[in-house]
Amino acid sequence: AQRVTQPEKLLSVFKGAPVELKCNYSYSGSPELFWYVQYSRQRLQLLLRHISRESIKGFTADLNKGETSFHLKKPFAQEEDSAMYYCALSGEHRDDKIIFGKGTRLHILP
Amino acid sequence: KAGVTQTPRYLIKTRGQQVTLSCSPISGHRSVSWYQQTPGQGLQFLFEYFSETQRNKGNFPGRFSGRQFSNSRSEMNVSTLELGDSALYLCASSLAVTSGQETQYFGPGTRLLVL
Repeated sequence: AQRVTQPEKLLSVFKGAPVELKCNYSYSGSPELFWYVQYSRQRLQLLLRHISRESIKGFTADLNKGETSFHLKKPFAQEEDSAMYYCALSGEHRDDKIIFGKGTRLHILP
Repeated sequence: KAGVTQTPRYLIKTRGQQVTLSCSPISGHRSVSWYQQTPGQGLQFLFEYFSETQRNKGNFPGRFSGRQFSNSRSEMNVSTLELGDSALYLCASSLAVTSGQETQYFGPGTRLLVL
């Protein structure tokens, strides 16, 4: 069964410190993985997806199939990074639906 | 391009009533998905429509239903409302020829309060 686990509900990090938001998944095939972000009073929006291998707003995420993880990282946190972050997974089959983790609230301390 | 729009933005209903929410996707997007967002459960997938057909369904009771029109606009309906249905209902559209593999573009949501 598909499952996405974000073990931290809340993560507080000082400005300038490194950030790592954890995401572990369960899927038997080749997953498609995403990070979505929701800033205060804004819509949920895509931050990045693993297939594009982009760095968005300084964030990167590497798919580790051995550890079934897709952790989101940024070397130096900024106050504007404070938001709710959701990891999401979709399968490789045409009819696979997208599954979201329960989210991690990132709070950047000044 | 205009983004995904949802109407109404806020709604207050009482237990036992029914409600219909509407979603207009981004022009050219043929897939519309619906999610329920609550503080306790996070984002839970309700269903997805593609070309007027339900392509996927989450684990929600039959009181939750939806449909999609030929112009890709979608509606979801909840009958016999319960207090636990209070939530933010999000709609997302995508190009999605394949179901979950495309970027989802979210609307602002409809906040439903059931009294």
